[in-house]
Amino acid sequence: NAGVTQTPKFRVLKTGQSMTLLCAQDMNHEYMYWYRQDPGMGLRLIHYSVGEGTTAKGEVPDGYNVSRLKKQNFLLGLESAAPSQTSVYFCATRQAGRVTGELFFGEGSRLTVL
Amino acid sequence: AQSVAQPEDQVNVAEGNPLTVKCTYSVSGNPYLFWYVQYPNRGLQFLLKYITGDNLVKGSYGFEAEFNKSQTSFHLKKPSALVSDSALYFCAVRDRNNNDMRFGAGTRLTVKP
Repeated sequence: NAGVTQTPKFRVLKTGQSMTLLCAQDMNHEYMYWYRQDPGMGLRLIHYSVGEGTTAKGEVPDGYNVSRLKKQNFLLGLESAAPSQTSVYFCATRQAGRVTGELFFGEGSRLTVL
Repeated sequence: AQSVAQPEDQVNVAEGNPLTVKCTYSVSGNPYLFWYVQYPNRGLQFLLKYITGDNLVKGSYGFEAEFNKSQTSFHLKKPSALVSDSALYFCAVRDRNNNDMRFGAGTRLTVKP
């Protein structure tokens, strides 16, 4: 029972390159989220999904795209990376029907854009 | 829109002393409030939450938090700090009509022997 797994854990990109971060969960949770963590700014929501085939924008969605083709996977894509996207990215999940429920986090993916 | 403020970037306490990490929130209606802890190079871990009822909430590792509606605060407390409590602590809020959760900027707690 791995919980929430993020791959890759580390990545270095050059400006303009593209990449995809994968979040996989075995908790059977409906809701999945992508956050970015920057010093002094806490966690900011990029995109989220309330179920397979659905996505929605969060607080800072520009420059990112997401897809939820399977319930257990939530992909975060950067089409043309910029230095401002250097950050630590966290995936989180939550059970549906429990708006009071807490989030379960992966261990993070550290991305550096040169 | 909901928001959270953690007024202190850093809190330093001596081992064995009580600790408080402050959090204030803004939300329309009644809030759901959460505390998370992050150890180095790890994801966030849930500590405790306030949903309704008793204003004093008890959570993991001996932590507790007090909800104060009039002051819109949800401060994290522990009666006796341990060196192993040193970590980054995040307060978060969700209102009852949203699917997302907003986090504060985080407070780094350092407990010295």
